[in-house]
Amino acid sequence: DTGVSQNPRHKITKRGQNVTFRCDPISEHNRLYWYRQTLGQGPEFLTYFQNEAQLEKSRLLSDRFSAERPKGSFSTLEIQRTEQGDSAMYLCASSLATSGANVLTFGAGSRLTVL
Amino acid sequence: SQQGEEDPQALSIQEGENATMNCSYKTSINNLQWYRQNSGRGLVHLILIRSNEREKHSGRLRVTLDTSKKSSSLLITASRAADTASYFCATQSFQGAQKLVFGQGTRLTINP
Repeated sequence: DTGVSQNPRHKITKRGQNVTFRCDPISEHNRLYWYRQTLGQGPEFLTYFQNEAQLEKSRLLSDRFSAERPKGSFSTLEIQRTEQGDSAMYLCASSLATSGANVLTFGAGSRLTVL
Repeated sequence: SQQGEEDPQALSIQEGENATMNCSYKTSINNLQWYRQNSGRGLVHLILIRSNEREKHSGRLRVTLDTSKKSSSLLITASRAADTASYFCATQSFQGAQKLVFGQGTRLTINP
């Protein structure tokens, strides 16, 4: 297993277009997270899944954003009608659910630039 | 919104010196974690300290936690140029939420 994989690594799009990012987590991890990070800031939580169930969504996740994890394995994050303010690094992370601490393994991120 | 406040926002020291970064948070926590991020890359977990622990060591890293002050510090001893990165604290609450809430980070530069 090579860790958490994200594709594409970079995406440049024009305002108003739709974009989709994919995340392949560590295979034995049942939790999957999406975060957004802008330059000079820490990651901001967007949403997370346990298996295929989406258990929490941030207020940051407007109706233009949708995330899925259809078979409890890979996940997609789609942004519809992109705006310049959507430009950011989109980070995916996974973890194995335990009764205690939750340590995340992150992918390298997908950088979105909206022109 | 982010829970953690990190201090300083940026730190520049000479190789071999020690680097100390601080993190404050607002709510009760289950644990606090530190992550490192090299420029343009994902985050890497460094160390975790539980709410009932006061100090933890891992190699050149030392973490302290003061739950009464809702603060933590990360000390990197004998810094190396390769330690240049951004460092983030992240908190996990007791409230059933499994997400981590990250601070804004400290950008550390080690000058050779």
